[in-house]
Amino acid sequence: EVQLVESGGGLIQPGGSLRLSCAASGFSVSSNYMTWVRQAPGKGLEWVATIHTGGSRDYADSVKGRLTISRDNAKNTLHVEMNSLRAEDTAVYYCARVPYSSSWSPGMGVWGQGSTVTVSS
Amino acid sequence: DIQMTQSPSTLSASVGDRVTITCRASQSINSWLAWYQQKPGKAPKLLIYKASNLESGVPSRFSGSGSGTEFTLTISSLQPDDFATYYCQQYNSYLTFGQGTKVEIK
Repeated sequence: EVQLVESGGGLIQPGGSLRLSCAASGFSVSSNYMTWVRQAPGKGLEWVATIHTGGSRDYADSVKGRLTISRDNAKNTLHVEMNSLRAEDTAVYYCARVPYSSSWSPGMGVWGQGSTVTVSS
Repeated sequence: DIQMTQSPSTLSASVGDRVTITCRASQSINSWLAWYQQKPGKAPKLLIYKASNLESGVPSRFSGSGSGTEFTLTISSLQPDDFATYYCQQYNSYLTFGQGTKVEIK
């Protein structure tokens, strides 16, 4: 079964750091463009970062310099590390395989269940 | 950066209605557009990719059209399970989502 299962998240103090993980099954993260999307409470979807099959990385301006997307090919797991967290980083963070390039086939869409990150003192 | 603007923000409709949601891009994105459905507390679900291609398992009452800067998502006959929020997403240059359209019961 194709699946993404997230872990991490929680209550973090402003200025703190966090690492989220996303374990994939049924497909290889290294063979796909993998993306993190977040959703602040009551708000819409916001793209955060994408790692390409070749390993290059793209980041939204809102997180550039504070967030790093990575993958562990041996464990078939996607990660995101965030530092200098702010209240406006409070959101549900989703890992996902979403359309990002011209190479997309039917049935590829898959999202994790979401990890809640709350930045508050 | 490419901006995506959806309209309307909220749409009130009844079961059986034909529903159309519009998404406009700030510059041409060719056909690199996807549509998602999201229900409260759940992850989004991909409906349409490359503007008009139906994702596997998505009912045929959903359809997408458009190219360049203007796109539409149409639900031909609204079903009870379709009351949700819908988002467009461009992937011509990085990713940008529209602000969402909530389809509610009239």
